[in-house]
Amino acid sequence: EDQVTQSPEALRLQEGESSSLNCSYTVSGLRGLFWYRQDPGKGPEFLFTLYSAGEEKEKERLKATLTKKESFLHITAPKPEDSATYLCAVQDPSGTYKYIFGTGTRLKVLA
Amino acid sequence: DTGVSQNPRHKITKRGQNVTFRCDPISEHNRLYWYRQTLGQGPEFLTYFQNEAQLEKSRLLSDRFSAERPKGSFSTLEIQRTEQGDSAMYLCASGSTDTQYFGPGTRLTVL
Repeated sequence: EDQVTQSPEALRLQEGESSSLNCSYTVSGLRGLFWYRQDPGKGPEFLFTLYSAGEEKEKERLKATLTKKESFLHITAPKPEDSATYLCAVQDPSGTYKYIFGTGTRLKVLA
Repeated sequence: DTGVSQNPRHKITKRGQNVTFRCDPISEHNRLYWYRQTLGQGPEFLTYFQNEAQLEKSRLLSDRFSAERPKGSFSTLEIQRTEQGDSAMYLCASGSTDTQYFGPGTRLTVL
């Protein structure tokens, strides 16, 4: 069964304390891996798309990387405004374009 | 801002009532998706349109749920005879490539 597992479920960091979030996936042929940020009561906000192992994308304090079995979202010197839930998703390999999401990592950055 | 819009943002209804939600996608996007998200979970796929054609429906979408996308523009999601288990955030997303862009969601509470 195609699955996406994110860890940790929750993470508390001090401002400036860098860390990484993990997204492991089991799909038969990755067609795309996607990272989103979601604030409470709002829809997911697109961050990155990754397609192949070794690919990296960066945006401000965030960097996403991809291997054959997992993806990491690295957060460098986080600020309180980075507090949110970070969701990982893979595109369904059957070709229907739908996403399979993980349950997310709730990040809290303390000032 | 020409992002995905959803209306209403919040809906409170009594069990057994019918409700309808609307999604206006980004204008140039031909794909439109509906997802449902409950607290602490990632979004779960409900259904997918390419232009006006509904190409896939999840088994989560019982007979009480129906979705339409007339003329390939906006979409509506109707839930008939609502149940307390239907309480969730209903998210709409649109895209023309692999990446999906989400709206703010409609929060449904069934009393």
